[in-house]
Amino acid sequence: AQSVTQLDSHVSVSEGTPVLLRCNYSSSYSPSLFWYVQHPNKGLQLLLKYTSAATLVKGINGFEAEFKKSETSFHLTKPSAHMSDAAEYFCVVSDRLNQGGKLIFGQGTELSVKP
Amino acid sequence: NAGVTQTPKFQVLKTGQSMTLQCAQDMNHEYMSWYRQDPGMGLRLIHYSVGAGITDQGEVPNGYNVSRSTTEDFPLRLLSAAPSQTSVYFCASTTPGQSNYGYTFGSGTRLTVV
Repeated sequence: AQSVTQLDSHVSVSEGTPVLLRCNYSSSYSPSLFWYVQHPNKGLQLLLKYTSAATLVKGINGFEAEFKKSETSFHLTKPSAHMSDAAEYFCVVSDRLNQGGKLIFGQGTELSVKP
Repeated sequence: NAGVTQTPKFQVLKTGQSMTLQCAQDMNHEYMSWYRQDPGMGLRLIHYSVGAGITDQGEVPNGYNVSRSTTEDFPLRLLSAAPSQTSVYFCASTTPGQSNYGYTFGSGTRLTVV
């Protein structure tokens, strides 16, 4: 069985400071891992993905995430937050065999950015 | 533009009414799925399909039906709407070869059941 736990439901940072959104996963198979972002009243946009290549994954808008198998973690980071980063972020897992396109979502982390 | 199209964007239903949420994609994706989004719970899988004529249940299938008569369309039917089905619904698609590389999501349908 697969599961995803986002360790913080809400994170608040000041503009220009680093961002860390934490995600732990559980998967019986080699996982594919994703981070999606959702701005208020918008759809979901893919930030980045891990699919068994490099463990440090770079995404859009300066975000990156590191896959750590020993810690079953896939934390999302950004060196310097921007006001436009305020949104909800979802960590998502899918097993490598991808049984029918099923995704398992974490509960989401709301990121607030203070001026 | 290519992508996943969901209609309607907004809908208000009375308890007991039925309706169909439409989802169409023009990317020839084999895999399609429906999710509902509720505050604090992320997105949960309702039903999914690996191809025309094939559907299966996800995590929260009760109260919903689906069918997949064509590759392009994957409608979600609410048989008798209940207030607990008030949610935002997202449709997503991908292909077996691309499923490890990302999914395309529709813009969502916001449903309120009163």
